[in-house]
Amino acid sequence: GDSVTQMEGPVTLSEEAFLTINCTYTATGYPSLFWYVQYPGEGLQLLLKATKADDKGSNKGFEATYRKETTSFHLEKGSVQVSDSAVYFCALSDQAGANNLFFGTGTRLTVIP
Amino acid sequence: KAGVTQTPRYLIKTRGQQVTLSCSPISGHRSVSWYQQTPGQGLQFLFEYFSETQRNKGNFPGRFSGRQFSNSRSEMNVSTLELGDSALYLCASSLSEGKLFFGEGSRLTVL
Repeated sequence: GDSVTQMEGPVTLSEEAFLTINCTYTATGYPSLFWYVQYPGEGLQLLLKATKADDKGSNKGFEATYRKETTSFHLEKGSVQVSDSAVYFCALSDQAGANNLFFGTGTRLTVIP
Repeated sequence: KAGVTQTPRYLIKTRGQQVTLSCSPISGHRSVSWYQQTPGQGLQFLFEYFSETQRNKGNFPGRFSGRQFSNSRSEMNVSTLELGDSALYLCASSLSEGKLFFGEGSRLTVL
């Protein structure tokens, strides 16, 4: 079945450090891929998405590229800020037009000044 | 614009009881999805409703059910509660595929 595996946390970085959170997936067909973020005290929200191979999703300085050959969708940011401290979830959808997402377990990021 | 509202936020039940959770989506959103979040299993999809019809269903037993009303508000029900049903139940509404707006959840504790 479909699944998402993301790197275990927690991850602690200093401000302005480079961030990578690894995400790999297993799916039949051509899924859409997502990164969701949950800031402290808030609900999950979509950070970025990519719907086909080689697409790059980007938002708020974060980027992730849909790599079909390695079945990966790693999240990156060149210079993290304290305000990026949150839990990040990788997810996939294998049905066009549907909202039944498969989520990874989440990676908690803490950025220290 | 108001976000997704879930009630109640916290509740405690005992085994064998049933529970009903409510979700009010963002105005104009016709899709409502429900997820269960636990430390062991993470986020798992329960079901999705669109225009009062169940569009997708996850791999949960029949004790878990839901419905959607004509105003897009949704409820989910869990009957014959088990200890393992203790979880955070998240509702999300959507206008387009994959772009879900989540509520803060209803935390259920089963004793």
